Amino acid sequence: DARVTQTPRHKVTEMGQEVTMRCQPILGHNTVFWYRQTMMQGLELLAYFRNRAPLDDSGMPKDRFSAEMPDATLATLKIQPSEPRDSAVYFCASGLVVGGQGEQFFGPGTRLTVL
Amino acid sequence: SQKIEQNSEALNIQEGKTATLTCNYTNYSPAYLQWYRQDPGRGPVFLLLIRENEKEKRKERLKVTFDTTLKQSLFHITASQPADSATYLCALGGGTGRRALTFGSGTRLQVQP
Repeated sequence: DARVTQTPRHKVTEMGQEVTMRCQPILGHNTVFWYRQTMMQGLELLAYFRNRAPLDDSGMPKDRFSAEMPDATLATLKIQPSEPRDSAVYFCASGLVVGGQGEQFFGPGTRLTVL
Repeated sequence: SQKIEQNSEALNIQEGKTATLTCNYTNYSPAYLQWYRQDPGRGPVFLLLIRENEKEKRKERLKVTFDTTLKQSLFHITASQPADSATYLCALGGGTGRRALTFGSGTRLQVQP
């Protein structure tokens, strides 16, 4: 049963520290997404990749966030330095997007708390 | 800017009844619309996709309608069960200049036994 995996599941850190979240997409999927979910803002798209190339990262604060796909089995989202307002659940999703359409398969999320 | 509205108040219904959730949008002409289910502490799970040229889509007890004139989608769960209790998110995609999904804030459904 193929699924998206994310690590860590929970992370508590102090303001100013670097945070790295990892995602393993489903094998064969060509698109990987990073989302952030909070009660106030809901589910927001941060960035996404198609065939490992970044297509859109306009939802991401560029000065502190960075997203990469070093290979087809790993996507990373880094926050440096972290701030309390970054506290949220971060989801990775993957999908086989053809013609711009396709369902997305979400991972279990990383719950980040920045003190 | 584009706006997606889902009822922020929880919908409470009795088991066996039909639940109807609404998704309205403005300043956007999506090529397709998707509905997801999210349980507490978990990621969203895909349910249905409906394209702009489709009026209605069904899957088991689920039915989705898409009215591009009204800019509205309705999501129905017939013969609802307590296990249907969750938050339901609509998401719009495609259209001019849009390459990824934009999600609504979701509506929480509570089905009472």
